[in-house]
Amino acid sequence: KAGVTQTPRYLIKTRGQQVTLSCSPISGHRSVSWYQQTPGQGLQFLFEYFSETQRNKGNFPGRFSGRQFSNSRSEMNVSTLELGDSALYLCASSLQGAETQYFGPGTRLLVL
Amino acid sequence: AQRVTQPEKLLSVFKGAPVELKCNYSYSGSPELFWYVQYSRQRLQLLLRHISRESIKGFTADLNKGETSFHLKKPFAQEEDSAMYYCALRDTGNQFYFGTGTSLTVIP
Repeated sequence: KAGVTQTPRYLIKTRGQQVTLSCSPISGHRSVSWYQQTPGQGLQFLFEYFSETQRNKGNFPGRFSGRQFSNSRSEMNVSTLELGDSALYLCASSLQGAETQYFGPGTRLLVL
Repeated sequence: AQRVTQPEKLLSVFKGAPVELKCNYSYSGSPELFWYVQYSRQRLQLLLRHISRESIKGFTADLNKGETSFHLKKPFAQEEDSAMYYCALRDTGNQFYFGTGTSLTVIP
């Protein structure tokens, strides 16, 4: 089984721009969660999608949004980028959300 | 509020020595606790979960509700155990909270 894939792997943007990250879960997995990883804060939960619906949301501003498609692929969007948004963004998939999560390699975003 | 604390950012032990990575949590309900590991240049992966009560790669972790701790232990550290370790809590709403991680180095 192919693992969780994320594209792109690296991204450089400037302040004020917006960015869209993509995550393809393991085949058959319907739950996709997104995390922001930074050296100071560790992993912080952004949101979880299941069957195209946002089921959980972390404590991030509305500039961070996401969606899930019928094939369970998920996208995350960050609008009006700030320097502090520079981070590794991880997605993780699981069958229904309550089982083991499998993580992707991450997208490293640098905001200049 | 739910929170996971890993007090040690860095931990070094000699090969063959016992190792304990500390994790404390605060949660008002019945949490589910996990340890995740990230080896160099690899993805974050699940090491163990408290409900399984299993030993993975020689590691064990016991949930102590009285002390609100879930420390990870291994009696004899190996060089291949060098990695970043994250303690995580899942609440009843299926939301995860991760600690800031402990970088373990096993010295040969």
